Amino acid sequence: GDSVTQTEGLVTLTEGLPVMLNCTYQSTYSPFLFWYVQHLNEAPKLLLKSFTDNKRPEHQGFHATLHKSSSSFHLQKSSAQLSDSALYYCALSEDGGTGSKLSFGKGAKLTVSP
Amino acid sequence: EAAVTQSPRNKVTVTGGNVTLSCRQTNSHNYMYWYRQDTGHGLRLIHYSYGAGNLQIGDVPDGYKATRTTQEDFFLLLELASPSQTSLYFCASSDRGGDTLYFGAGTRLSVL
Repeated sequence: GDSVTQTEGLVTLTEGLPVMLNCTYQSTYSPFLFWYVQHLNEAPKLLLKSFTDNKRPEHQGFHATLHKSSSSFHLQKSSAQLSDSALYYCALSEDGGTGSKLSFGKGAKLTVSP
Repeated sequence: EAAVTQSPRNKVTVTGGNVTLSCRQTNSHNYMYWYRQDTGHGLRLIHYSYGAGNLQIGDVPDGYKATRTTQEDFFLLLELASPSQTSLYFCASSDRGGDTLYFGAGTRLSVL
């Protein structure tokens, strides 16, 4: 079945350094990929979503590129901020249709320190 | 902004107890979902629904029942609660299957 792999459980960075969180996936169909962010004591919310036309989605300085050849959708940011400290989930869905659902990775906890 | 409301926000019960978690969305979304969140496991799908009266089995359904009574309301039922069901539960909705999820604030359940 469909699955998402996030390899880093905990990531600690110094403010100003680049961020990269890995996401690889296995999918039978043409997938949509998502990044969700969850700040402490809040609900998860959408950060980025892949496009069908290979555009690179960007939001709040974060971007991710869907590479079908390597089945990856890594999250990147050029310069980490203290407010980026949060839990980040990569998620995958099949190509729409009745019964489609999102499958989440195990998450990566990012801590940015001064 | 999509609105998903969960109740209660916190619940404590004993092993073998009966618990119902409620979720209401006011976005006219077709799809509703119940997830549990546990450290080291991420978000795992319990049950979901694409309309009133419909129920789909998720990835970790054992020990849970769910019912979608209206387009707005989706309930998660634990009829014989066990300590392994201690978790943070999130309800979410989406307009289409596999599309952007809008999450509620969560219900923290402790089974003693």
